[in-house]
Amino acid sequence: DTGVSQNPRHKITKRGQNVTFRCDPISEHNRLYWYRQTLGQGPEFLTYFQNEAQLEKSRLLSDRFSAERPKGSFSTLEIQRTEQGDSAMYLCASSPSSYPNGYTFGSGTRLTVV
Amino acid sequence: GDSVTQMEGPVTLSEEACLTINCTYTATGYPSLFWYVQYPGEGLQLLLKATKADDKGSNKGFEATYRKETTSFHLEKGSVQVSDSAVYFCALSTTQGGSEKLVFGKGTKLTVNP
Repeated sequence: DTGVSQNPRHKITKRGQNVTFRCDPISEHNRLYWYRQTLGQGPEFLTYFQNEAQLEKSRLLSDRFSAERPKGSFSTLEIQRTEQGDSAMYLCASSPSSYPNGYTFGSGTRLTVV
Repeated sequence: GDSVTQMEGPVTLSEEACLTINCTYTATGYPSLFWYVQYPGEGLQLLLKATKADDKGSNKGFEATYRKETTSFHLEKGSVQVSDSAVYFCALSTTQGGSEKLVFGKGTKLTVNP
């Protein structure tokens, strides 16, 4: 197991386009999280899955954002009609059920909206 | 709501100097506390953690003690190396809503010069 994998590493898109990011968690981890990190700030929580169920969404996750985790394995985060303010690093993390052990983070997807 | 305040950087030290990065928190209940490190171009890595008052987390020569009376979790290292250059994030884990999401500070960039 190579840890949490995120693709793509970088994405440049024009304002108004849709983008989708993928996260492959550690296989035995049933919890998956998405965070957003803007320049000079710490990561901010976006949403959380336990298996395939999306159990919590932050107010940061506007209607243009949608996340899925079919079959409780990989997850996708889609942003529709991107805006320049969406430019950030999008981080995925996973953890086992046992608490508290902290997360394992992926390397992130850096989104630039031009 | 829950929050983390950490010492603003950047911090620049010479090799073998002592390091302290201050971190204080505000939380309801009894959070777990973490330090994460982010090396250039990489994702966040868990450096150390503490789950209850007076616990000391340690790893790679770094230490932090969970001080409930001062709501603090300061990161310390007696002798830093060039390879410690990175951004350090203090975080707490809250179980509000059952998600065990992390709340991060803004990060402190450390540069160690030879």
